[in-house]
Parts: sequence; structure tokens; C-alpha cells
Amino acid sequence: EAGVAQSPRYKIIEKRQSVAFWCNPISGHATLYWYQQILGQGPKLLIQFQNNGVVDDSQLPKDRFSAERLKGVDSTLKIQPAKLEDSAVYLCASSAGTGAQETQYFGPGTRLLVL
Amino acid sequence: GDSVTQMEGPVTLSEEAFLTINCTYTATGYPSLFWYVQYPGEGLQLLLKATKADDKGSNKGFEATYRKETTSFHLEKGSVQVSDSAVYFCALTSSNDYKLSFGAGTTVTVRA
Repeated sequence: EAGVAQSPRYKIIEKRQSVAFWCNPISGHATLYWYQQILGQGPKLLIQFQNNGVVDDSQLPKDRFSAERLKGVDSTLKIQPAKLEDSAVYLCASSAGTGAQETQYFGPGTRLLVL
Repeated sequence: GDSVTQMEGPVTLSEEAFLTINCTYTATGYPSLFWYVQYPGEGLQLLLKATKADDKGSNKGFEATYRKETTSFHLEKGSVQVSDSAVYFCALTSSNDYKLSFGAGTTVTVRA
């Protein structure tokens, strides 16, 4: 079974530029998550989708971050404009459903450096 | 809100040593508890989990027991190998909103 795919793996941009990340979850997984992992910290949830609807985006900085999952499968996360503090690893994860016992499966992440 | 506190690292051990990484949590209701591991250059992967009090999760020689009375989920391995060198994250999902909350991670290095 293929895992969660993400691209690109690395991205370097200058502040105020825009950037987009792509995620393809495990086939059949209805729930998709985007996390931000700053160096030395644990991942922090940015947004959660159930199929193509947003379940939770309470920690997404909506003035600069946006995400979509138009057909309930792939998802993109965009930052526009980027700030220095956005330098982090952006992780995509998916799970078959929602629930406290669900296991989330993570992709390899996209490492973003904002100069 | 729900949160996880885990032992700060880095931790450096010799091969065949005993490893313990402490993890305590604060949560309302009955969370599920997880240990995730991140090997160098790889993504996060689930190591083990426990979904109710007194459950023991185990995998690859690692064990952790869900202790509700002490709100803890300490990770243990009796004899570590160089290949266990990684960053270990304790995490929980709230029974209220199913959010996965992570600790800060503990870096473990095992020397041959």
C-alpha cells in the first residue's frame, strides 16, 4: 500500500514570496491533515479535512495560509506572502476516519526555508 | 486544552542499554495515547498506541502502558540498538475533538 505522498521535499524562498505544497493521501482515507513542525518542536495541526470539507482550521493563520481539498483526495497548502517564521517542515497526514483511536499516517514532509 | 509533556533530550546511550522516555499528559475525558518515531531522513511513523487505561502498547521491543492514575505513558525498551537512534514523540488524541497533540520530542542517540 502506497503511503502519503508530498511534494516538493525541499523549498527555499525569500520572504514575501508565495509557495504551495501538495499532498496525496493514502487511497481511501477520508481525513487529511496538515501540520507545521518548527525545529525542536512537535507537529502542530494547521487544518483538518473530512473528505473535501474543513473540520478544523482554528490554528491556521488565515491571513496568509490557505488550503483546499477540492475532490476529497489531493490537497494543497499555500502560503502567501511567506514570513521568516514560516520556516518549518510541513507534514501531511491521513486517516481512514475520525475518532480518538484512529491512527494518522504521515508523509515525509516538505522542508521550507524562508530567507 | 489537552497537552503532552515529555522528557527533554537529547539522550545518548550505549548499545544494549535500557531506555526510558517519560511522558505525562493533561486531558479531559479519556484520550488515546501514542508514541510516534521519526528516524533520520524519514517521516513520522506510529510506533505504538493504547486506547484505554491499563492498556499496554508494544512494537519492535518497545512498550508503554497507559496509566490513568499517574496520567503517564512512559516508553521503555530493554536493550537498544544503534538503529533505534531517532526522535520519539509522545502524543494524544482528545476524546472531545479527536485532535492529535504532540509533545516536543526526545532525540535518542545509541552508540555502538
